[in-house]
Amino acid sequence: NAGVTQTPKFQVLKTGQSMTLQCAQDMNHNSMYWYRQDPGMGLRLIYYSASEGTTDKGEVPNGYNVSRLNKREFSLRLESAAPSQTSVYFCASSRATDEQYFGPGTRLTVT
Amino acid sequence: GENVEQHPSTLSVQEGDSAVIKCTYSDSASNYFPWYKQELGKGPQLIIDIRSNVGEKKDQRIAVTLNKTAKHFSLHITETQPEDSAVYFCAASRRSNTDKLIFGTGTRLQVFP
Repeated sequence: NAGVTQTPKFQVLKTGQSMTLQCAQDMNHNSMYWYRQDPGMGLRLIYYSASEGTTDKGEVPNGYNVSRLNKREFSLRLESAAPSQTSVYFCASSRATDEQYFGPGTRLTVT
Repeated sequence: GENVEQHPSTLSVQEGDSAVIKCTYSDSASNYFPWYKQELGKGPQLIIDIRSNVGEKKDQRIAVTLNKTAKHFSLHITETQPEDSAVYFCAASRRSNTDKLIFGTGTRLQVFP
């Protein structure tokens, strides 16, 4: 099992550009999450999906959209990137509201 | 909503010494408290968790204690080794369908040989 995979690993965007971060899990988990990690601020939840077909906002959803394409895949879209969105993005999945398995992360820089 | 505070932000210990990281939470309804370890360039990984019906849990060199009255929980690492060097995060949640994990801000642990 690959666990949770994320693409790309690194990305540099100019202000105003758009991009989609991809996430997939092969553990048959119902719940999936997107977090951002910034120095001194820990992990903050952007969006989550408790099951296929549902998505809900987390702590910091502004500037992002998500799609739960199927049970395996959960994508995060930045429609118009801003320098404040420079961060490391992690996708995670869980069977229920218990142990979360994290992907390796995407390091995004917006100039 | 839940708020989790974590201290210290950095911790340096000599190999073989013990390390303690402390967290406090605000929501008295929280009942699930996991600890994650994040190595450089990787995603966080669960190392131990505790539920509110127990006060302590051990797994080899690591242990977690929970004081529900004071709303704080701690991670204890004994006989530290250089490979324990990482960032550690605590978290709390109610473990319901509508409540998610709220993470602390992390502790960078350095173990010197």
